[in-house]
Amino acid sequence: NAGVMQNPRHLVRRRGQEARLRCSPMKGHSHVYWYRQLPEEGLKFMVYLQKENIIDESGMPKERFSAEFPKEGPSILRIQQVVRGDSAAYFCASSQASNQPQHFGDGTRLSIL
Amino acid sequence: GQQLNQSPQSMFIQEGEDVSMNCTSSSIFNTWLWYKQEPGEGPVLLIALYKAGELTSNGRLTAQFGITRKDSFLNISASIPSDVGIYFCAGLSTQGGSEKLVFGKGTKLTVNP
Repeated sequence: NAGVMQNPRHLVRRRGQEARLRCSPMKGHSHVYWYRQLPEEGLKFMVYLQKENIIDESGMPKERFSAEFPKEGPSILRIQQVVRGDSAAYFCASSQASNQPQHFGDGTRLSIL
Repeated sequence: GQQLNQSPQSMFIQEGEDVSMNCTSSSIFNTWLWYKQEPGEGPVLLIALYKAGELTSNGRLTAQFGITRKDSFLNISASIPSDVGIYFCAGLSTQGGSEKLVFGKGTKLTVNP
């Protein structure tokens, strides 16, 4: 499967813990995007990264959330000190270039107890 | 911020019927995309539109990019049960200096056999 791979598919955390979500883009894609989806809603942009660089993080909360896309390995979305309101599906997408269609992974469903 | 208004919110149709859904915005987008999402999965790209007035088909699906660049529609002909899902329109926005997708809230399609 050469698609966008996200793991884990489901993640349960208690309030105050850290959540780490991983995304491996499609082969040949160097642009990675993270989106968040609440039930019955569309996806909301969070952050756009290229290898080792954050290009646009305008959709990401200023506190507790961070993202990286290292030279080697997957992109990571990190949520520190999780709260109940962080419960959502988090989707990663990748593209060959910024103006090319984005292809999505199957998401990580984060549940906060 | 930029918003996409997608309608209808939901549709209940009989197998074999044609379906039409649309998306409007107060902002101009230079690229429109249509995605389908099934439960527990990520959005899957159906059609990408790059030029105002463009009409593009993908099997039984046809989509058009409005001349004003502020709207798009998606038609599905001769619907079948596996067309069930949520259909999202998305515009590629360049607000904030980078390109990211702005999503509508989706049209939930139910097809009765």
